[in-house]
Amino acid sequence: GAVVSQHPSWVICKSGTSVKIECRSLDFQATTMFWYRQFPKQSLMLMATSNEGSKATYEQGVEKDKFLINHASLTLSTLTVTSAHPEDSSFYICSARIPGGVNTEAFFGQGTRLTVV
Amino acid sequence: AQSVTQLDSHVSVSEGTPVLLRCNYSSSYSPSLFWYVQHPNKGLQLLLKYTSAATLVKGINGFEAEFKKSETSFHLTKPSAHMSDAAEYFCVVSDKYAGTASKLTFGTGTRLQVTL
Repeated sequence: GAVVSQHPSWVICKSGTSVKIECRSLDFQATTMFWYRQFPKQSLMLMATSNEGSKATYEQGVEKDKFLINHASLTLSTLTVTSAHPEDSSFYICSARIPGGVNTEAFFGQGTRLTVV
Repeated sequence: AQSVTQLDSHVSVSEGTPVLLRCNYSSSYSPSLFWYVQHPNKGLQLLLKYTSAATLVKGINGFEAEFKKSETSFHLTKPSAHMSDAAEYFCVVSDKYAGTASKLTFGTGTRLQVTL
């Protein structure tokens, strides 16, 4: 099946610094990618929809200036957590669907565990 | 609007016994339905999906699910649980014809515990 690769798988950073997470579709082109946040023992919460070549669409309550999304190519979307604080510590997951059909499933990255100290 | 309800937050079974994870959905259009599994600190892996070709869908690792429109259900089953099945399971719905930009709606998840 298709592969979505996410990097890094875990990161520890100091409060006030920024962290970039990459999401790549390895064997298909993704015009749209999705970024999720998952709190411990909870479901995935959609943060934003990343659109290649245009601005991301953020869900209500998600700070655009804090969670910067860039989708500069058809195979790469990045999420930058700016001025990170301990409350930003979470598991972040990206996903993408193969274009060109209906009913296609989403493929997920491995996730990134962010810890802000 | 669409929504998913996973009726059990936690299910515990003995190894070798059947597994039943329940999911009910609500959708105002033809839905796509999926079951995903997530192991700790990992991404999600697709178990199976409903494509409307057949109401009984077979997936990986011996899992299957039956789409019942009259009951708006898509329960996940497996005849015999294995220790490696212990994980978090998510039932997911999306608009079938909305294309690749359509959002997925996740259930709250069911944690499956398998005991010896």
